[in-house]
Amino acid sequence: AQRVTQPEKLLSVFKGAPVELKCNYSYSGSPELFWYVQYSRQRLQLLLRHISRESIKGFTADLNKGETSFHLKKPFAQEEDSAMYYCALRRRAQKLVFGQGTRLTINP
Amino acid sequence: GAGVSQSPSNKVTEKGKDVELRCDPISGHTALYWYRQSLGQGLEFLIYFQGNSAPDKSGLPSDRFSAERTGGSVSTLTIQRTQQEDSAVYLCASSPVTGDEQFFGPGTRLTVL
Repeated sequence: AQRVTQPEKLLSVFKGAPVELKCNYSYSGSPELFWYVQYSRQRLQLLLRHISRESIKGFTADLNKGETSFHLKKPFAQEEDSAMYYCALRRRAQKLVFGQGTRLTINP
Repeated sequence: GAGVSQSPSNKVTEKGKDVELRCDPISGHTALYWYRQSLGQGLEFLIYFQGNSAPDKSGLPSDRFSAERTGGSVSTLTIQRTQQEDSAVYLCASSPVTGDEQFFGPGTRLTVL
C-alpha cells in the first residue's frame, strides 16, 4: 500500500532560521514525489516535484530512496513561508496520495 | 486564463439531504480529480476522470457518493443522504493529461448539520 507520513502536524521556527519539513513514504515501485503548499485563503498549489530537482522560493527537496524520505528544506525561513505544506506521492501518473500536512509558522 | 472553478463555495445542508457539487476544469484539460480535505483525515483521493470515463473510483467512501463528467468538461459530485461525517472541503483538480501537474480549485466547504 502507498502511504505518506508527515510526522509533524505543527512546526514553528523563527525568521532566518533553517526549516525542514519531514516526509516519509512507503511504496514498492518508483514513486513520483511532490510538495504542495496552501497559503492562507489560497488554493492548494504545487511547490516542487522531485523529478525537476529545482529550487522554488528557496525550498529544495531530495528524494532519498534508501530512507524513503523526501524532506523539504530551506536554509533561511521567511515570514511569507507560513502555510500548510503537504507531501504527496503519485504512482502510474494517476491519483495523488497526500500526507496529513504540516502547518508551518514562521515567527518574526 | 481562468483556473479551476467550483460551486458552490459553501454548502450547509441537513443530515439526510442530497447535495451536488460542481467542478469546472481548466479548458482543454482531459484529466479531472476529486479529493476531500477533512479534519483528522488530511487530503483523500475520491475519484478521477480521463475524459468522461472514471478509471479509478477507489476513493469513494460509500455508495452514497457518485460522480459524473459530461462532454469531457464539467463534473458533478453527488452525495446522497448526507451524514455529518461527510462534512469537509471537497477539492477538484484538473490536468492537461494524466501525469501532468494537477491544478486545484478553491474547494467547496460542505457542512452537514
